[in-house]
Amino acid sequence: GAVVSQHPSWVICKSGTSVKIECRSLDFQATTMFWYRQFPKQSLMLMATSNEGSKATYEQGVEKDKFLINHASLTLSTLTVTSAHPEDSSFYICSARVEGWGDEQFFGPGTRLTVL
Amino acid sequence: GENVEQHPSTLSVQEGDSAVIKCTYSDSASNYFPWYKQELGKRPQLIIDIRSNVGEKKDQRIAVTLNKTAKHFSLHITETQPEDSAVYFCAATLSGTYKYIFGTGTRLKVLA
Repeated sequence: GAVVSQHPSWVICKSGTSVKIECRSLDFQATTMFWYRQFPKQSLMLMATSNEGSKATYEQGVEKDKFLINHASLTLSTLTVTSAHPEDSSFYICSARVEGWGDEQFFGPGTRLTVL
Repeated sequence: GENVEQHPSTLSVQEGDSAVIKCTYSDSASNYFPWYKQELGKRPQLIIDIRSNVGEKKDQRIAVTLNKTAKHFSLHITETQPEDSAVYFCAATLSGTYKYIFGTGTRLKVLA
């Protein structure tokens, strides 16, 4: 149980294009979803928190107009990297938690984004 | 802002020896402390966690200790095996939220 999937697992795009990453909770309804970014050999850095049906809350320093988050349902959140540039190349990981299940977050497998 | 410091950044041990990784957190109201193992290109995998009302927790070869007064918590792996080689991250919740603040990570290498 508590499986989170991400799609795609990897993507290569040209500079200036937009990329959408999907995060799905497969066997549970997620109260909250989190988006992290992880650069090579670095830690996970929280980008934003999203709750179904409401606007995402972004961490300081994260451009909300560049990283668009949509949490349309209790099982799906999407992250769109708009006008991607090489410096946006990273490993993007989502996680989900369920109200009443404690503090544990369930992590997706990550999406490797490479911007050429 | 709140942060979590993690040491050491790299750790090499001989197979069968113990490994200890330490973290210090700044938010005195943090109440949940998970530890994750991450292999290259994979998702973080929860290996053990502890809540602030508990001082120690053990699961087979893995244990976590928490010192709330000092705001320290540590991961202990005994009888290490080559498959324990990975990057380990500690985390602490940010008080009043369910957000995690991650430590900087420890690259553990178990030498056969």
